[in-house]
Amino acid sequence: EPEVTQTPSHQVTQMGQEVILRCVPISNHLYFYWYRQILGQKVEFLVSFYNNEISEKSEIFDDQFSVERPDGSNFTLKIRSTKLEDSAMYFCASRGLDGLAVTDTQYFGPGTRLTVL
Amino acid sequence: LAKTTQPISMDSYEGQEVNITCSHNNIATNDYITWYQQFPSQGPRFIIQGYKTKVTNEVASLFIPADRKSSTLSLPRVSLSDTAVYYCLVGEGGYSTLTFGKGTMLLVSP
Repeated sequence: EPEVTQTPSHQVTQMGQEVILRCVPISNHLYFYWYRQILGQKVEFLVSFYNNEISEKSEIFDDQFSVERPDGSNFTLKIRSTKLEDSAMYFCASRGLDGLAVTDTQYFGPGTRLTVL
Repeated sequence: LAKTTQPISMDSYEGQEVNITCSHNNIATNDYITWYQQFPSQGPRFIIQGYKTKVTNEVASLFIPADRKSSTLSLPRVSLSDTAVYYCLVGEGGYSTLTFGKGTMLLVSP
């Protein structure tokens, strides 16, 4: 079964450093998402991306965050200058075709645990 | 966005049927009810989605009464590996961003 993959599984960084979290969505999917989950808290939406542009973003997704689809397979989340409060699990999700129809099911990756020291 | 209320936690034993109920009094006409499962340190996983009456797949059943103000996720014969957090989401399904609540922590014991 096709799945969303994410790398790295765990990233440790110093406060103020830039990090790039990588995701490979399911190959025929067209819609891409980033969510995050701070330890012990709810899964929170960050941003959605379609047709090479941001469709929607939350208040969390400020100027420190950016997303990119640099090629036909990767989808990245960049945090320009990390803060302690950015420590969380970051999940990528994708949605797309199921047969001939666009499905509404979002498939999540295993996540990247980001630790900011 | 319809607010959902579900129990914080539930306990069960292997082999039992587990029913998790979610209240969503303000559900809109266009809203669907979607359930996700999340294991520790993993991403949420889609379980089932419905609009009304009953939906069944190989993993679970979803019961939705006529007024759609609540729904019940039914897991038949749970095993230890069903220990997870279960989220009830109400909205346009995955067409829009998913809004997760705190979910129900299900603990299955031997």
